[in-house]
Amino acid sequence: EAGVTQFPSHSVIEKGQTVTLRCDPISGHDNLYWYRRVMGKEIKFLLHFVKESKQDESGMPNNRFLAERTGGTYSTLKVQPAELEDSGVYFCASSSYDRLGQETQYFGPGTRLLVL
Amino acid sequence: RKEVEQDPGPFNVPEGATVAFNCTYSNSASQSFFWYRQDCRKEPKLLMSVYSSGNEDGRFTAQLNRASQYISLLIRDSKLSDSATYLCVVTRGSTLGRLYFGRGTQLTVWP
Repeated sequence: EAGVTQFPSHSVIEKGQTVTLRCDPISGHDNLYWYRRVMGKEIKFLLHFVKESKQDESGMPNNRFLAERTGGTYSTLKVQPAELEDSGVYFCASSSYDRLGQETQYFGPGTRLLVL
Repeated sequence: RKEVEQDPGPFNVPEGATVAFNCTYSNSASQSFFWYRQDCRKEPKLLMSVYSSGNEDGRFTAQLNRASQYISLLIRDSKLSDSATYLCVVTRGSTLGRLYFGRGTQLTVWP
């Protein structure tokens, strides 16, 4: 079974430009999460989709970040305009529930974003 | 105060050693607890969930103390392949699904 995939793996852009990150979750997973790790800090939650609906977007840093999940399959995270402090690794995760109802999140390899 | 606090290490131990990592969480409403493993420049992967009764998976033992808001991970008979960063992760019932991460503890096992 294919895991969570993310594209691109790396992106280097200049301040003020726009970047769009894509995440393809594991097939059949309704929950999709975006997280970010800024250098030297812990991984932090950005937002959570259940199918195509935003369940929780309280972790989004500001209105320069826009996430979508049209059709409840893949998701995109757009940063417009990018700022220096947006540099970091952006992880996507999707989740399933085991027979005990415990949720397990599976992470994609991440997109390394560098804003110059 | 951070949601999850970990000793960043690094821990450098020889093969065969036993090593223990500790983690504390600040929110008493935390509901689920995990240890994730992250290899260099890779994604986090679930190592094991942590239950109140404690649980063991091969060489790995996890313990949870809700009263002290403390989680531990014990690795016995360390292997070279155990070298990685170990992330302490919790969830809250009020923010369904959202994971709160510690900064991670770096482990290097040397031959």
